[in-house]
Amino acid sequence: EAQVTQNPRYLITVTGKKLTVTCSQNMNHEYMSWYRQDPGLGLRQIYYSMNVEVTDKGDVPEGYKVSRKEKRNFPLILESPSPNQTSLYFCASSPTGGVEGSTGELFFGEGSRLTVL
Amino acid sequence: GEDVEQSLFLSVREGDSSVINCTYTDSSSTYLYWYKQEPGAGLQLLTYIFSNMDMKQDQRLTVLLNKKDKHLSLRIADTQTGDSAIYFCAENKKGTYKYIFGTGTRLKVLA
Repeated sequence: EAQVTQNPRYLITVTGKKLTVTCSQNMNHEYMSWYRQDPGLGLRQIYYSMNVEVTDKGDVPEGYKVSRKEKRNFPLILESPSPNQTSLYFCASSPTGGVEGSTGELFFGEGSRLTVL
Repeated sequence: GEDVEQSLFLSVREGDSSVINCTYTDSSSTYLYWYKQEPGAGLQLLTYIFSNMDMKQDQRLTVLLNKKDKHLSLRIADTQTGDSAIYFCAENKKGTYKYIFGTGTRLKVLA
């Protein structure tokens, strides 16, 4: 089954304790991205990756890191989480990310709800 | 700015039509999308429209695009309780890998 898998789905942590949210897709998509969803703010893009070893900042990258060492995986790293990073996080992938000739449809994971105390 | 705006809530009776509106800011966007988010789940693409189109119909869904006013709407005919969800409009900025999502409209369908 074609899917985007995120782990963990739920996490409660404390300020400053490094954590990683994993994302894996089995559709051989070139493009992957991370979003956070907050009430009244919709989805905001954190980072995206156009292909292996190619990443770029979205609109709210502060406090986050990413890496793309393999095509299927795109982990989101919070080196020193703070309470303002409490949010619902979504990973998404797309065949080519919306460049010319592609509809740019995004396929989303089920989300990871993170609470930072 | 790069805001995509939507009203936050919409309530309709089962069987009525729902119209969800969105205004976007980037006239160069190539594709505009409507995504549906059911409780506890990720977003799923409902439909999309290419920027050179004015209208697209897909079964109960009708998308209207007014490029002059930068206005996008989604009409759901014969709304059912299963349509209760959050609906997001989104734009893909032409030639980039950036997607801008709206704030989402929570649709509640009353039986």
